[in-house]
Amino acid sequence: DAKTTQPNSMESNEEEPVHLPCNHSTISGTDYIHWYRQLPSQGPEYVIHGLTSNVNNRMASLAIAEDRKSSTLILHRATLRDAAVYYCILRETSGSRLTFGEGTQLTVNP
Amino acid sequence: DAGVTQSPTHLIKTRGQHVTLRCSPISGHKSVSWYQQVLGQGPQFIFQYYEKEERGRGNFPDRFSARQFPNYSSELNVNALLLGDSALYLCASSFAGGSLYEQYFGPGTRLTVT
Repeated sequence: DAKTTQPNSMESNEEEPVHLPCNHSTISGTDYIHWYRQLPSQGPEYVIHGLTSNVNNRMASLAIAEDRKSSTLILHRATLRDAAVYYCILRETSGSRLTFGEGTQLTVNP
Repeated sequence: DAGVTQSPTHLIKTRGQHVTLRCSPISGHKSVSWYQQVLGQGPQFIFQYYEKEERGRGNFPDRFSARQFPNYSSELNVNALLLGDSALYLCASSFAGGSLYEQYFGPGTRLTVT
């Protein structure tokens, strides 16, 4: 799987929007962009995924650059419960595995 | 509906012993994957099973093996335990094996090897 690059950590204030960036300059045409997060003492949790177009769901939005070499996970109003490690993962269409990197540790301040 | 369940929650073993970890997927899910997460790192893929057949294997030694049963539950076996096998072992289930299907993770089994 292609490699992604994320900042090690980010901070946000409660009820403010958070933009988590991810660079994936070697992405191939068949790679989907997936985001998972891992809350303390829990297994990872699916957040969102997309291929080319921006995506929205109840948890977050995913903005994908036109050249697909980067993407941004957007949490519209951060809550204390959103404090977690966020992983950006590229996954082939037929990919059987998730290749996790180091992720971004998000801290949400009250 | 129940999520992915794993047993046991915690386990302490001695070097050289073997261990069996168990996973029950979400009802209706036919694919199970196993991951190892060492403290401070992201999970690392070990195996994927779909319809009782191995569909993917990560870069782990042959001491690691797994199987999937007709009811889609799964076991991960690790032989000749090493100190470095101490980790959180995560099981994830999905409806099928491709990337269009999100994976649902269980809470993990914390293995400590002394």
